[in-house]
Amino acid sequence: QITLKESGPTLVKPTQTLTLTCTLSGVSLSTIGVAVGWIRQPPGKALEWLALVYWDDDKRYSPSLRSRLTITKDTSKNQVVLTLTSMELVDTATYYCAHGHGVVADGYLSKFWFDAWGQGALVIVSS
Amino acid sequence: EFVLTQSPGTLSLSPGERATLSCRASQSVSSSYLAWYQHKSGQAPRLLIYGASSRATGIPDRFSGSGSGTDFTLTISRLEPEDFAVYYCQYYGRTFGQGTKLEIK
Repeated sequence: QITLKESGPTLVKPTQTLTLTCTLSGVSLSTIGVAVGWIRQPPGKALEWLALVYWDDDKRYSPSLRSRLTITKDTSKNQVVLTLTSMELVDTATYYCAHGHGVVADGYLSKFWFDAWGQGALVIVSS
Repeated sequence: EFVLTQSPGTLSLSPGERATLSCRASQSVSSSYLAWYQHKSGQAPRLLIYGASSRATGIPDRFSGSGSGTDFTLTISRLEPEDFAVYYCQYYGRTFGQGTKLEIK
């Protein structure tokens, strides 16, 4: 069974940098096809994808937030870290990490979906 | 810019009725990367459908997915009380639709 848990500060001030950690169990980040994504949900709004890191360390970012986001993985700790710089009030949200299940065929990712999610971490931006 | 548009925004139905939720892509996509999730307030989202039509483990067979190209559909054949939630489609582990809220009529 794959489980994920987000950790990080609940309260951050405007202009600060947010650092969130996702700790996985039940799967190795080095397994071919595995990825971890970060997704957030502002209060009353829809899910918004932020970033993805794949087993081979390939990384993808939301175009609208690319300049502020960094995603890294530590395979030895089975953790993925997301940083979001220059926090603003509109960044208040519940932040989720999710396990991406990719099917690799003929050297490319032929299928992909998120099959396990963390419970989420509420982050409030306030001075 | 690639966009997924879900309709309707809100769907009001009664238990026992059939629900049909739509997800339209702004360009033709591979169904292999289209997934549907159920999200209840205060809980983690739950995978329902992957590859546009494959049910995830443990998902009841009243949930089904279909579609190809730009048009995809999630159907719940007979609504149970626990099915009332927000539903999202997602492509390639990235872009989400804006969600359809399924509420009790």
